[in-house]
Amino acid sequence: EIVMTQSPATLSVSPGERATLSCRASQSVSSNLAWYQQKPGQAPRLLIYGASTRATGIPARFSGSGSGTEFTLTISSLQSEDFAVYYCQQYNNWWTFGQGTKVEIK
Amino acid sequence: EVQLVESGGGLVQPGRSLRLSCAASGFTFDDYAMHWVRQAPGKGLEWVSGISWNSGSTGYADSVKGRFTISRDNAKNSLYLQMNSLRAEDTALYYCAKDDVRDGYDSWGQGTLVTVSS
Repeated sequence: EIVMTQSPATLSVSPGERATLSCRASQSVSSNLAWYQQKPGQAPRLLIYGASTRATGIPARFSGSGSGTEFTLTISSLQSEDFAVYYCQQYNNWWTFGQGTKVEIK
Repeated sequence: EVQLVESGGGLVQPGRSLRLSCAASGFTFDDYAMHWVRQAPGKGLEWVSGISWNSGSTGYADSVKGRFTISRDNAKNSLYLQMNSLRAEDTALYYCAKDDVRDGYDSWGQGTLVTVSS
């Protein structure tokens, strides 16, 4: 089972600032990595797939990078609606999710 | 429009069984692998199980292996999760999900709540 580890667990950021979230896989997942955003009471929403491709309708301030075992999600200038929990997911061998990073208002 | 509707959740005692169902519509069901993902109250997402389009391949999280069985009926456009020997830690909202993330899509149901308690 591929283990996905996200850091940090919580990120405190001021609106307008940049946020950088990390995700590490226990073995290579190539570029089969996605990022999701989840808000309370809602299902997850796909932001990034293929490690770096934005899903339809996702603003350009969200970007993803990495391959193999190290990945990053960057939110260039946080808006109020971006405060949420973010999960990485590998889909190289079935699925596994990271434990999540909560982005909160500083 | 893709629709996934889960059912079968409820309150069950530890050690008992429960069968979840997911009714799919709006897409060609037998073109896609399908998954179950759960989320315990206040916790993160956990992949539970997946099944290939033709049921030829299945996968399970270590936490449920040997207790849960995933299956599908392509004629009925339905996905199932048979859950045996349930434990308190299986308490969660269970989502049915379509495997189309490689194509840049995500399709989730609204979830069905399973509570394991005496």
